[in-house]
Amino acid sequence: AQSVTQPDIHITVSEGASLELRCNYSYGATPYLFWYVQSPGQGLQLLLKYFSGDTLVQGIKGFEAEFKRSQSSFNLRKPSVHWSDAAEYFCAGLGGGNKLTFGTGTQLKVEL
Amino acid sequence: DAGVIQSPRHEVTEMGQEVTLRCKPISGHDYLFWYRQTMMRGLELLIYFNNNVPIDDSGMPEDRFSAKMPNASFSTLKIQPSEPRDSAVYFCASRIRDRGKAFFGQGTRLTVV
Repeated sequence: AQSVTQPDIHITVSEGASLELRCNYSYGATPYLFWYVQSPGQGLQLLLKYFSGDTLVQGIKGFEAEFKRSQSSFNLRKPSVHWSDAAEYFCAGLGGGNKLTFGTGTQLKVEL
Repeated sequence: DAGVIQSPRHEVTEMGQEVTLRCKPISGHDYLFWYRQTMMRGLELLIYFNNNVPIDDSGMPEDRFSAKMPNASFSTLKIQPSEPRDSAVYFCASRIRDRGKAFFGQGTRLTVV
């Protein structure tokens, strides 16, 4: 079955520290991969996507993600976190059958 | 383009009442998705349409839930009768297949008391 897993439910980092949010996928073939951010009371905003080609993907707001086929991972990173990055982050995969499958989300808290 | 538009933004209703959520996708998008978000289950795909035709409704939790897309610019998700456990945020999203990127509406927060 197609699935996307985010192992960390909550993560707390200090402002200015680096961030890595984990995402693993399980598909018969490499899916399209996405990271979305949801701020409190808001909808989902696309941060970045991976379709093919360069495995390091740059997104908005200073985020990047690296696709690693050997690890079935697509982790989201940011070198220096800002307080405004506090939100919930969702990894998603789009495979055969056209279903966009979401992970359970990682809640990011930023300490000042 | 104004993006995906959902209405209402908030809905509070009594148990047993019919609830209708509305969605206007981005013009030209031929896929439309309805999702439900709860604390317990996260984001769940309920149903999606391609060219106004329902393709996969396996995520619809019960027969009380139904969705329609009478034309390319409008879709509804109906719950009849509503129950307190239906309380959630319901998102609509649309996309063009070959672009792969889904655009989400702001969501409808449903509270059933």
